Amino acid sequence: QKEVEQNSGPLSVPEGAIASLNCTYSDRGSQSFFWYRQYSGKSPELIMFIYSNGDKEDGRFTAQLNKASQYVSLLIRDSQPSDSATYLCAVNNFGNEKLTFGTGTRLTIIP
Amino acid sequence: GAGVSQSPRYKVAKRGQDVALRCDPISGHVSLFWYQQALGQGPEFLTYFQNEAQLDKSGLPSDRFFAERPEGSVSTLKIQRTQQEDSAVYLCASSSYAMWDRVLAGELFFGEGSRLTVL
Repeated sequence: QKEVEQNSGPLSVPEGAIASLNCTYSDRGSQSFFWYRQYSGKSPELIMFIYSNGDKEDGRFTAQLNKASQYVSLLIRDSQPSDSATYLCAVNNFGNEKLTFGTGTRLTIIP
Repeated sequence: GAGVSQSPRYKVAKRGQDVALRCDPISGHVSLFWYQQALGQGPEFLTYFQNEAQLDKSGLPSDRFFAERPEGSVSTLKIQRTQQEDSAVYLCASSSYAMWDRVLAGELFFGEGSRLTVL
């Protein structure tokens, strides 16, 4: 079992709709959770992080964390074509000095 | 510079050649990471430096891989006797937080990467 799992997609969402991206992790000791966006041929850039159970909102983005279920999600409201990218979930494991990434979900927003 | 700078951006090597990839992190950033990203995959951890100390090298795939950060700023990732399976994008990332700051230590700033192709 991989430490961080994501559906690789592609996930296609109509413009203006809500895109929902999911991530599960295996280490119950994980402390904090990050969503990075990576455009094709570019490097990852941080868009949100969350470390408490519940929801965290930032503009059109909402991160959701459920530690009991070991589940993290990212919702993108009012999806725009510019949101088309690969979204990487990353987990900071307690006791390890590294950030572990999932394989990413490729999101395409259809105009 | 304002961001993380990596060079070269592209490197083509013949199998068996040695390569050196350079990373210039954001000034003052304590933590520096190297990741390897194969096509269609997420970044895979290679090694971590806190200042000049290499605290974790558990992700280096073999003893052909070596990284250093002698003065706590610029870092070099060296790959000896390159193999075709080494072909990937090598990403460098830095953070102003030390990794013991568990909550915030995942805020990494990535460079554009060095794409290595081994023929």
